[in-house]
Amino acid sequence: AQSVTQLGSHVSVSEGALVLLRCNYSSSVPPYLFWYVQYPNQGLQLLLKYTSAATLVKGINGFEAEFKKSETSFHLTKPSAHMSDAAEYFCAVSSYMGRRALTFGSGTRLQVQP
Amino acid sequence: NAGVTQTPKFQVLKTGQSMTLQCAQDMNHEYMSWYRQDPGMGLRLIHYSVGAGITDQGEVPNGYNVSRSTTEDFPLRLLSAAPSQTSVYFCASRLTGQPNYGYTFGSGTRLTVV
Repeated sequence: AQSVTQLGSHVSVSEGALVLLRCNYSSSVPPYLFWYVQYPNQGLQLLLKYTSAATLVKGINGFEAEFKKSETSFHLTKPSAHMSDAAEYFCAVSSYMGRRALTFGSGTRLQVQP
Repeated sequence: NAGVTQTPKFQVLKTGQSMTLQCAQDMNHEYMSWYRQDPGMGLRLIHYSVGAGITDQGEVPNGYNVSRSTTEDFPLRLLSAAPSQTSVYFCASRLTGQPNYGYTFGSGTRLTVV
């Protein structure tokens, strides 16, 4: 079984401030981890993914995430928030076993204040 | 452009009506899946398919049917719509055997059941 917990359904930061979105996962086998972003009234776009190579993963739009096995975490960060980063962000886990489907967290809505 | 195409984008149904949500992809992806997105709950898997002629249930399959007669198409059927099925529906696909690849999502169908 696998699951994802995203701490904080809403996060608000000032433009230029650090963005930190938290994700913890549970998986009985080595996981594949993903962050997706959803802009209003749009589908989901892949930001970045962890697939057992480097533990620090860089994605699009200046985002990165670090896989920490000991903490079962995969937090998303960006050094300096931009107004265009306002969106909903989803963490998801998959594995090479079982139904291999994506299991999503409940999402974090990021607000960026001017 | 290659990708996942969902139709319709919006639909209003009366309770008890039936309808089919269409999903087509032109990337030769064997794996296709349907998710529903509800506020505060992330995306939940309804049904998935690992290839033509093969389908299986996800986390929330009740009230939905699927079939997979071709690699390209994966329609989702609501046999008797209920207000609880008001949601945004996303179709997603990827290559089979590559769960570490990011899924490609359609732009969604927003369904309201009155």
